[in-house]
Amino acid sequence: QQQVKQSPQSLIVQKGGISIINCAYENTAFDYFPWYQQFPGKGPALLIAIRPDVSEKKEGRFTISFNKSAKQFSLHIMDSQPGDSATYFCAAKETSGSRLTFGEGTQLTVNP
Amino acid sequence: DSGVTQTPKHLITATGQRVTLRCSPRSGDLSVYWYQQSLDQGLQFLIQYYNGEERAKGNILERFSAQQFPDLHSELNLSSLELGDSALYFCASSVRGGDGYTFGSGTRLTVV
Repeated sequence: QQQVKQSPQSLIVQKGGISIINCAYENTAFDYFPWYQQFPGKGPALLIAIRPDVSEKKEGRFTISFNKSAKQFSLHIMDSQPGDSATYFCAAKETSGSRLTFGEGTQLTVNP
Repeated sequence: DSGVTQTPKHLITATGQRVTLRCSPRSGDLSVYWYQQSLDQGLQFLIQYYNGEERAKGNILERFSAQQFPDLHSELNLSSLELGDSALYFCASSVRGGDGYTFGSGTRLTVV
C-alpha cells in the first residue's frame, strides 16, 4: 500500500519557469514532511522539510506548501535552472517512529 | 561528501550467493537506516538500528539481515540472492529520530 502518492512521474520545465511537484498522504499520524533531491549516482539529499503546524515554508527558490485538511503538500521550485534537473522525492514520517515513507519520485528536467 | 560512507559502490554477484554491504554513519549519528531503491518499488525502508539495537523493521526479506556494531557501523547481509534483489541499497544516518536523515551514495547490487 502506497501511503504517499507523488505526481507527476516526470516533469519538463523551461529555464526560469516554475516546477511544481505534488504529494498526497492518507496517514494522519504523519507529522514531518521532507523533500529530497537525488542526482544520478548519488544518494537522496534533504532539500527542505515542513511540519503540519505551518502552511508554507520557503528556503531560497524552494517552497513547500502544506494543506493539512486535504492531506496534500507540494514543492515549488521558482526560477528553475538546468542544475535543478534531478529526481525529487517527497516523504513523510509518523510522530511515533523514525522511518520515512517515500513517494515514487519525480524526474525533473529543466531545459536551458 | 555527505559523511555517510558506503562500501562497496558496486557489486556484481551470481544468484544464490551472499554479500555484505557496509555503512559507516556520519560522526555523532547513532541511528542507521537501510533502504532499497529499485525502479519499480522506489525507496523502500528495510530496517533501522539505534546505538546497536534494532529499532524498526520494514519490508525486509527473511534472506536479508543487518546489524550495528559497537563502533556504530552497520552491515546489511543479503543471502540466497535472486535476480530481483538487484537494486541500489542506501544507508542513512541521523542523530536520533528520523528528522534530517543523511544518505550515503549507495551500493549498486547487480545479481546475474
